[in-house]
Amino acid sequence: GDSVTQMEGPVTLSEEAFLTINCTYTATGYPSLFWYVQYPGEGLQLLLKATKADDKGSNKGFEATYRKETTSFHLEKGSVQVSDSAVYFCALSARKLSFGAGTTVTVRA
Amino acid sequence: NAGVTQTPKFRVLKTGQSMTLLCAQDMNHEYMYWYRQDPGMGLRLIHYSVGEGTTAKGEVPDGYNVSRLKKQNFLLGLESAAPSQTSVYFCASHGAAGWHEQYFGPGTRLTVT
Repeated sequence: GDSVTQMEGPVTLSEEAFLTINCTYTATGYPSLFWYVQYPGEGLQLLLKATKADDKGSNKGFEATYRKETTSFHLEKGSVQVSDSAVYFCALSARKLSFGAGTTVTVRA
Repeated sequence: NAGVTQTPKFRVLKTGQSMTLLCAQDMNHEYMYWYRQDPGMGLRLIHYSVGEGTTAKGEVPDGYNVSRLKKQNFLLGLESAAPSQTSVYFCASHGAAGWHEQYFGPGTRLTVT
């Protein structure tokens, strides 16, 4: 069935460091791919999405490119801030929304 | 416009007790979902609804029941709570057109002792 695998955390970084969170997927057909973010004490929010191969989703300085050849959708940010501390979920949408396990990111000042 | 709200925010139950979690959305969304979030397991779908008066099972429906009597509300019931149901529960919704982007509530933290 459809599934998402994302890198395990937790990830701890210093401010202005480069962040990468790996995400790979297994799906039949051509799913849409998403990154959701969950800030402490809140529900999930859509961070960015890509609906077809080679699309790049971007928001708040984060980017991810839909790579069909490697079945990947890695999340990157060039310079993180303390306010980026959150749990990040990769997800794919085929018949339903399937989430990865989440990666906890902590950014230190 | 409050979006998706959930009540209560926290609850502690004893094994065997029952309770209902309420989800409400004011965006006129057709689709509503209940998920549970457990460490290291992401979000797992419990039940969902594609419209008023309809419900369907998700990945982990056992021990839960749901009802969607009004379009804006989606209730999740635990008839006889078990410690394995200790979790954080999230409700989400989306409209028919934007079905890829789900809007989430703030969550309910439930502990069953």
